[in-house]
Amino acid sequence: AQSVTQLGSHVSVSEGALVLLRCNYSSSVPPYLFWYVQYPNQGLQLLLKYTTGATLVKGINGFEAEFKKSETSFHLTKPSAHMSDAAEYFCAVSEVRGADGLTFGKGTHLIIQP
Amino acid sequence: DVKVTQSSRYLVKRTGEKVFLECVQDMDHENMFWYRQDPGLGLRLIYFSYDVKMKEKGDIPEGYSVSREKKERFSLILESASTNQTSMYLCASTEGGEETQYFGPGTRLLVL
Repeated sequence: AQSVTQLGSHVSVSEGALVLLRCNYSSSVPPYLFWYVQYPNQGLQLLLKYTTGATLVKGINGFEAEFKKSETSFHLTKPSAHMSDAAEYFCAVSEVRGADGLTFGKGTHLIIQP
Repeated sequence: DVKVTQSSRYLVKRTGEKVFLECVQDMDHENMFWYRQDPGLGLRLIYFSYDVKMKEKGDIPEGYSVSREKKERFSLILESASTNQTSMYLCASTEGGEETQYFGPGTRLLVL
């Protein structure tokens, strides 16, 4: 069975600092990997995804993530944090394209200090 | 843009009531999903459907049922609401063969 571990339920960074949100997964087959963001009282919005091909994936709002098969990781980064990045971030994995549901991590709440 | 709408943003119900949560998508997607979101637990899959009148159990189906009579509409039913079903419920949809799920805004349900 697939699973996702997000290290750190809360991460606090200063505005302008590097953002690093960690995600490790387990999967019996090559996975599809996702990062979603949730702003307060809203649904989830896709930040980026890895399916096949290039292992460094760029998403919206300056975020990117790198798929490292040897480390079973898909960490999310952003070079310079902005106040508007404060939100809940979810890493998710799927083994089947489209038909099955996603398996989510427990989420990381990103706090931006002024 | 894909639009997934949910019938209510907030609901308050009493224990034992039958509760219907409605989800509609406007992109003719084949697959639809219901998740519940709880603090510290992330999102967990309740049920999903890959076609009209078809349904599959997810990870936590107990206490829930679903209905999909039309392709664009997927309903989650709480036959007899209980306080432990107080949660945020999120609906999602995706095109068959595509991996990206599109989410609705969520329904925050409080069962008293």
